[in-house]
Amino acid sequence: DAGVIQSPRHEVTEMGQEVTLRCKPISGHNSLFWYRQTMMRGLELLIYFNNNVPIDDSGMPEDRFSAKMPNASFSTLKIQPSEPRDSAVYFCASSLGRKITVNTEAFFGQGTRLTVV
Amino acid sequence: GDSVTQMEGPVTLSEEAFLTINCTYTATGYPSLFWYVQYPGEGLQLLLKATKADDKGSNKGFEATYRKETTSFHLEKGSVQVSDSAVYFCALPSMNSGYSTLTFGKGTMLLVSP
Repeated sequence: DAGVIQSPRHEVTEMGQEVTLRCKPISGHNSLFWYRQTMMRGLELLIYFNNNVPIDDSGMPEDRFSAKMPNASFSTLKIQPSEPRDSAVYFCASSLGRKITVNTEAFFGQGTRLTVV
Repeated sequence: GDSVTQMEGPVTLSEEAFLTINCTYTATGYPSLFWYVQYPGEGLQLLLKATKADDKGSNKGFEATYRKETTSFHLEKGSVQVSDSAVYFCALPSMNSGYSTLTFGKGTMLLVSP
């Protein structure tokens, strides 16, 4: 299996521009997570989908952020308009089932490093 | 809510030194516990896991024992290598309305010099 695939790996954009991050979960996994990693705040959960439905988006920082999962094999995280404080590494992860256990662990993609200048 | 506390880094060691990275948690019930590792420029990989009290997870020479009485899951390795240089995250699944997501500690950077 190719694992969780994220694109792009790196993105540099100007403040005010729209940014779209993409994620392909592991085939058969029905839970998908978006995390943001910064030095100051560590790993923060942004949003969680189960069976393509957003279950918890309480971590989405503000209305500039939106996420979709149109089908089981694809999700996007969009920032519009982007700001310098959005600069971070964004990770997508997937798992099988509704509960994370030792038998249904979460697998992470390699992340997208976003820089907003 | 659930939380994970890890020791501040960076931890700087010489090759073959003994490693301990402390992790304590606050959670409802007795969740499974995980250590993830992030190598430079990479995503997180599961390093080891434990499901119940007194379980010992182990992988690649690393070990961690689930201690219910101290709510801890400290990571240890007897002899570190330069290739172990990475960021280590302690994590647990947090339940909410029948679903669970991972709650992470802030991570501890390990730097191993030859």
